Amino acid sequence: AQTVTQSQPEMSVQEAETVTLSCTYDTSESDYYLFWYKQPPSRQMILVIRQEAYKQQNATENRFSVNFQKAAKSFSLKISDSQLGDAAMYFCAYKNSGGSNYKLTFGKGTLLTVNP
Amino acid sequence: GAGVSQSPSNKVTEKGKDVELRCDPISGHTALYWYRQSLGQGLEFLIYFQGNSAPDKSGLPSDRFSAERTGGSVSTLTIQRTQQEDSAVYLCASSYDRGRSPLHFGNGTRLTVT
Repeated sequence: AQTVTQSQPEMSVQEAETVTLSCTYDTSESDYYLFWYKQPPSRQMILVIRQEAYKQQNATENRFSVNFQKAAKSFSLKISDSQLGDAAMYFCAYKNSGGSNYKLTFGKGTLLTVNP
Repeated sequence: GAGVSQSPSNKVTEKGKDVELRCDPISGHTALYWYRQSLGQGLEFLIYFQGNSAPDKSGLPSDRFSAERTGGSVSTLTIQRTQQEDSAVYLCASSYDRGRSPLHFGNGTRLTVT
């Protein structure tokens, strides 16, 4: 079974600074998807960024980028120029690309605080 | 367009009562998921519906939990004889298909069992 580990229960960053959230995962599969979701107090899970394992290039979405290290099974999220609206719970998630490829496995989350 | 809609937003119930949680997915999305988020925990998979196929109920924690999806659209998660450990946020998500399409989540229902 796949597992996702987020080793940082809480992180804080100053507004306009850069922060990196860590995520590691365990799988025997070679093809899969990785995601970062943001959960603000509204509770809605919002997709931040997605990475396909067969792509070597790291995904980027505006101020959000990932460092995907397939051999190390590491998938960290970098938030540049942090804004107050980035404060939320961030979840790393894994999904197989074949077979039972509909289940998302989530980490326990990292609570990000942005200080003005 | 409208996103995934869940109701009620919050539900307080007494131990032993039955509750029904509703999810209205995005129109055209064939896949529908229920997840449970307990305090301080990640999301736990409960059940998955895909079109007219038999649902994957492997994540349901006990036989007190059941779910149905009528007409391939709206889904209801039912918890019978609620227990305090059922207190959690129940999140519904839908996606266009079961593959690479991302999941779109609703705002969840916060269930409190007293």
